[in-house]
Parts: sequence; structure tokens; C-alpha cells
Amino acid sequence: EVQLVESGGGLVKPGGSLRLSCVGSGFVFSSYSMNWVRQAPGKGLEWVSSISSSSTYIFYADSVKGRFTISRDNAKNLQYLQMNSLRAEDTAVYYCVRGTDGDYDYWGQGTLVTVSS
Amino acid sequence: DIQMTQSPSVMSASVGDRVTITCRASQGISNYLAWFQQKPGKVPKRLIYAASSLQSGVPSRFSGSGSGTEFTLTISSLQPEDFATYYCLQHNSYPRTFGQGTKVEIK
Repeated sequence: EVQLVESGGGLVKPGGSLRLSCVGSGFVFSSYSMNWVRQAPGKGLEWVSSISSSSTYIFYADSVKGRFTISRDNAKNLQYLQMNSLRAEDTAVYYCVRGTDGDYDYWGQGTLVTVSS
Repeated sequence: DIQMTQSPSVMSASVGDRVTITCRASQGISNYLAWFQQKPGKVPKRLIYAASSLQSGVPSRFSGSGSGTEFTLTISSLQPEDFATYYCLQHNSYPRTFGQGTKVEIK
């Protein structure tokens, strides 16, 4: 069974940093692209970042470019999202999502990031 | 960037109704479109991939169609468990973009 489990969310002050982690199991992690999608409270889904299976290709939404860094460790079945210079508008549930042919087939349960003073 | 425009934003429907949700892309995306269902407090669930392929385990009352710039998600006979918010996603190019969502409410 495919599972994705996020961790690392929490309360952080504006300008602060946080690192999210996502561990995958039940599939060959190194064969899939991975993604982060977020959802602000009461709002819709927003794509944040994607990383290809071997980390060759990395993409970011304009709203996080220069502040967030996606990475992965295939030996540990982990992907990360390093979030710096956090703003109130980054407050959201962050989902770890597996990519298949560019589509998003499996989602983690999400981790809540709250940016507030 | 490709904009995805979903309509309607909200709709009221009754059990048994046929429901159609539309997603329009600002430029052609071939069939690189997926549909997701999200219930309050829950994780989005993929219903349709490649515009018209039904995700395994999803009831056959859900169907998708379209190619290029116009796509539809149809629920042939709305069931109580189908009241939720539905999103389309284009994965033709980066940045990936979701539609703004369609909330299906009980009439």
C-alpha cells in the first residue's frame, strides 16, 4: 500500500524557517517525481513545487521561488521542503504528493504550517 | 502560465441529479487533466486522470471528457456521499495549476 507521511509543520513567526519532510513507502520511491501542494484555510489547492525522480528537474511556484527549496533523499525514501522567510500567506496545510506521468495519484494526510506572530 | 477556469463555483443539486462541472484551460493542454474530489477536512482524492480515465475504485457514475481546452466532469446520478468540492488540475506544463474548485451542495 502506497503511503506518504508528512512531518515538520507547526507554528512559526513571520520571517522564520521550517523544514517539512515526507517519507514514502509501499512503492519504489526513487522511480517517481514528488511534489508539494498546499491549501490555505478555506481556500483551494495550490501547487508549490516539484522534483523529478533523480532531482534533475526542479520547479517552483512564483509565490515561493527564492524562499523555498525542495530536495529528496532516495536512499531514505524522503523528500523535503525547506521554507525560509515565511509569510502569513504561507499558512496552509502542505500535502506531499506522488507524481505519475505528471499527474498526482497519491497524497499524504498533510501537515499544517501556521505563520503568525 | 496556463489558467484553469472552473464553472460553476458553487452548485446546488439533489440526490439523483445529473451534475456537470466544466474546466476551461487558457491554452491547449491535450488530455493532461485530472479531477479531484475533496470532502471537508479530508485529503483530495483523484477521480479521473488523462481527462477521461476512471481511477480504480471510483464509482462508474463519475466520468470525464474533453481535450484541448475544454473538459467536463459528470456525475450521472448524484449520491449523498458525492457532496464535496471538486478540482481540476492541468499537468501539461509548469507551473501546475488547479481550477478554483466547484462546491456541490445539497439543494
